[in-house]
Amino acid sequence: SQQGEEDPQALSIQEGENATMNCSYKTSINNLQWYRQNSGRGLVHLILIRSNEREKHSGRLRVTLDTSKKSSSLLITASRAADTASYFCATETSGSRLTFGEGTQLTVNP
Amino acid sequence: NAGVTQTPKFRVLKTGQSMTLLCAQDMNHEYMYWYRQDPGMGLRLIHYSVGEGTTAKGEVPDGYNVSRLKKQNFLLGLESAAPSQTSVYFCASSRPTSVESNEQFFGPGTRLTVL
Repeated sequence: SQQGEEDPQALSIQEGENATMNCSYKTSINNLQWYRQNSGRGLVHLILIRSNEREKHSGRLRVTLDTSKKSSSLLITASRAADTASYFCATETSGSRLTFGEGTQLTVNP
Repeated sequence: NAGVTQTPKFRVLKTGQSMTLLCAQDMNHEYMYWYRQDPGMGLRLIHYSVGEGTTAKGEVPDGYNVSRLKKQNFLLGLESAAPSQTSVYFCASSRPTSVESNEQFFGPGTRLTVL
């Protein structure tokens, strides 16, 4: 079963707006990661947040983690058409294995 | 630096045929993984390897075998392909720098259709 569940499944916004995606998971984690996938391509790592961290920034990305609620959010500020992609959260629970969510399809309209 | 490469990019098989997917990485990573991605289901781990000569089962290993004879290569085999194995297959690699961190680097994928 999938550890991570993402919400919404699809999101359509205008260029310049902010995009927020949410991820919920079921068990305790070591860290949570966000990946991006352009259509027909492999996944690209965006950001990692450890279980003892609450917020992390990287450029236009902001990730939060609430371990008490077992949830995370990814915020993309000032979105661009080039941000159009699928975004996946992945949780690391033990060893070296990641469990991926089903993804959010983000469309940024010019 | 090519990163993670996969061969072939596309393949069509008939039910019962066999094939091997090749993954290669030039980053000297210890860990390698095979996933499959189906519509609406995200990525599911098939098999993985934490070092040369070692492999382990993931979430959906049935119908697949793997080998890691060289550190840079990870092979995924389908002995007798079934239509349920129609999917996009991704290889990934990583080299954990600590007990926790495990960023994975992905290949471009292999689109497999089994008729």
